[in-house]
Amino acid sequence: EAEVAQSPRYKITEKSQAVAFWCDPISGHATLYWYRQILGQGPELLVQFQDESVVDDSQLPKDRFSAERLKGVDSTLKIQPAELGDSAMYLCASSLWSGGQETQYFGPGTRLLVL
Amino acid sequence: GQQVMQIPQYQHVQEGEDFTTYCNSSTTLSNIQWYKQRPGGHPVFLIQLVKSGEVKKQKRLTFQFGEAKKNSSLHITATQTTDVGTYFCAARDDKIIFGKGTRLHILP
Repeated sequence: EAEVAQSPRYKITEKSQAVAFWCDPISGHATLYWYRQILGQGPELLVQFQDESVVDDSQLPKDRFSAERLKGVDSTLKIQPAELGDSAMYLCASSLWSGGQETQYFGPGTRLLVL
Repeated sequence: GQQVMQIPQYQHVQEGEDFTTYCNSSTTLSNIQWYKQRPGGHPVFLIQLVKSGEVKKQKRLTFQFGEAKKNSSLHITATQTTDVGTYFCAARDDKIIFGKGTRLHILP
């Protein structure tokens, strides 16, 4: 069964450093999401892509976060500079619409620890 | 802005007892989705509800969407140890917002 791939699975960095996360969605899925999940909380949407276009990035802290999906396939989320409060799980999801229903498939996530 | 409240935050039940989690929105929703996240895992899609008053069943799980499309519930009958995890609702209006989840613990 096809899965959403994410790398790295774990990342430890020092504050003020730059970090980047990669996501490869399920083939054929046009919609891609990046979420941040703090321990004990639900996922918080950061950015939504439809193909290569940003649909919603209203919750993305644009002073330090950026996201791109240049060819409408895989995507990169970058944080520069990282802050202590950025420690969280970063989840990527891709979705398929069928019969009026959207099904989101989540990747395993990248767990970020900022020291 | 849109807010999604999910209760309870935690639930401990004896194996075999029933379990229910509730999701309430401050605004009318276009649809609502439910996810399950096992400890250490990632959210897994369970179901999507679209119609007012809709009820869907998956084996021991029953999902309901309120008549006003502002609330939803997930009910598990006769819980099993495999049901352990956190159950999230995800409400979609103009944005998609996840609830904080209900963490289910099963006591053997």
